[in-house]
Amino acid sequence: QKEVEQNSGPLSVPEGAIASLNCTYSDRVSQSFFWYRQYSGKSPELIMSIYSNGDKEDGRFTAQLNKASQYVSLLIRDSQPSDSATYLCAFPGDSNYQLIWGAGTKLIIKP
Amino acid sequence: DAGVTQSPTHLIKTRGQQVTLRCSPKSGHDTVSWYQQALGQGPQFIFQYYEEEERQRGNFPDRFSGHQFPNYSSELNVNALLLGDSALYLCASSLGGSETQYFGPGTRLLVL
Repeated sequence: QKEVEQNSGPLSVPEGAIASLNCTYSDRVSQSFFWYRQYSGKSPELIMSIYSNGDKEDGRFTAQLNKASQYVSLLIRDSQPSDSATYLCAFPGDSNYQLIWGAGTKLIIKP
Repeated sequence: DAGVTQSPTHLIKTRGQQVTLRCSPKSGHDTVSWYQQALGQGPQFIFQYYEEEERQRGNFPDRFSGHQFPNYSSELNVNALLLGDSALYLCASSLGGSETQYFGPGTRLLVL
């Protein structure tokens, strides 16, 4: 059964620093990976998708994928208090119709 | 550009009752997926609807059923509610077979 592992945190990072979030997965076949941000009491919001090994940058966010080591990470540069949320990683299941999710890492940015 | 909408936002039911949750997908999307998210957990896939049919189902009992209408909107029905059904129910929309899913605001269900 496919699984996704994330450190539940909380991860505390000072404002302005780089926050690094990691996710490991069990399936060697998966081709795409997603990072979602979820504020308390709200629904997940897609912030990054990555399909190829290496880095993908979008503003202050960088997703890194290493298929050989089966991990994907999310870096947030110049962290802001508004980045405080739970970050969930996900990848498609066997049929690509469903997403398999980690439990999320709670990130706290301290002013 | 209309995003994914869900109704109601909150719902309180008692054990044994039945509930219907509604979802309208993002403009231009034709596929609706439903997820259940318990507190502190990642979402769990319930099922996906495409072309008015259930395309795939997760590990949920038959008490959970759904429907998709010709306008692509969808309903999730849960019968014989249990305390353990208390959760945030999320609807996600996508286009065709795309893996990229966008979520609605969710419906928080409390079963007493």
